[in-house]
Amino acid sequence: SAVISQKPSRDICQRGTSLTIQCQVDSQVTMMFWYRQQPGQSLTLIATANQGSEATYESGFVIDKFPISRPNLTFSTLTVSNMSPEDSSIYLCSVQGPQGGNTEAFFGQGTRLTVV
Amino acid sequence: AQSVTQLGSHVSVSEGALVLLRCNYSSSVPPYLFWYVQYPNQGLQLLLKYTSAATLVKGINGFEAEFKKSETSFHLTKPSAHMSDAAEYFCAATGGGNKLTFGTGTQLKVEL
Repeated sequence: SAVISQKPSRDICQRGTSLTIQCQVDSQVTMMFWYRQQPGQSLTLIATANQGSEATYESGFVIDKFPISRPNLTFSTLTVSNMSPEDSSIYLCSVQGPQGGNTEAFFGQGTRLTVV
Repeated sequence: AQSVTQLGSHVSVSEGALVLLRCNYSSSVPPYLFWYVQYPNQGLQLLLKYTSAATLVKGINGFEAEFKKSETSFHLTKPSAHMSDAAEYFCAATGGGNKLTFGTGTQLKVEL
């Protein structure tokens, strides 16, 4: 299993500002995933972050809005840039087990973001 | 592309009653299937997973799910609901790669 720590756990931000969310894993992992969970909705994958390469973004998400860093095998950050109230969501960091897709994903506790 | 459908965004049961949460998937390849639970203000916790071994999968907290290929279903059940089971439940699937596709979630309410 993997233990994932996310910081901050919650924040209230002014529109137009940016927030960087940190994700720390207690073991080395190749791929880290960032999800968004909008109020009352399911999880949507934002991007996949591999160490040593640029993140791969899903349709509807762009690097300018959600820049991601992956400086080593245990850490990643997601920045939500130029925030608007529509960005109010829970943002979750995730990793998967060593066998890839046939093992479970582990999640951080999430960052609850409110943009006012 | 993989898709996951959860029927019923809200399910309410009495304490001690059967819990049945429905999940259907669509996939052109054998999927790996998962059920996650999310308690308020917490991240997701794995309940159980299907990875092409036994079709009846037992998980934590007394939950189990049965993979039925003919019905493309992976419904979650628990014989007797407990108040502590009140949470949101997500079905998820992957086609063998690393991307998880989640259903829209089912909020389970347990009443006395």
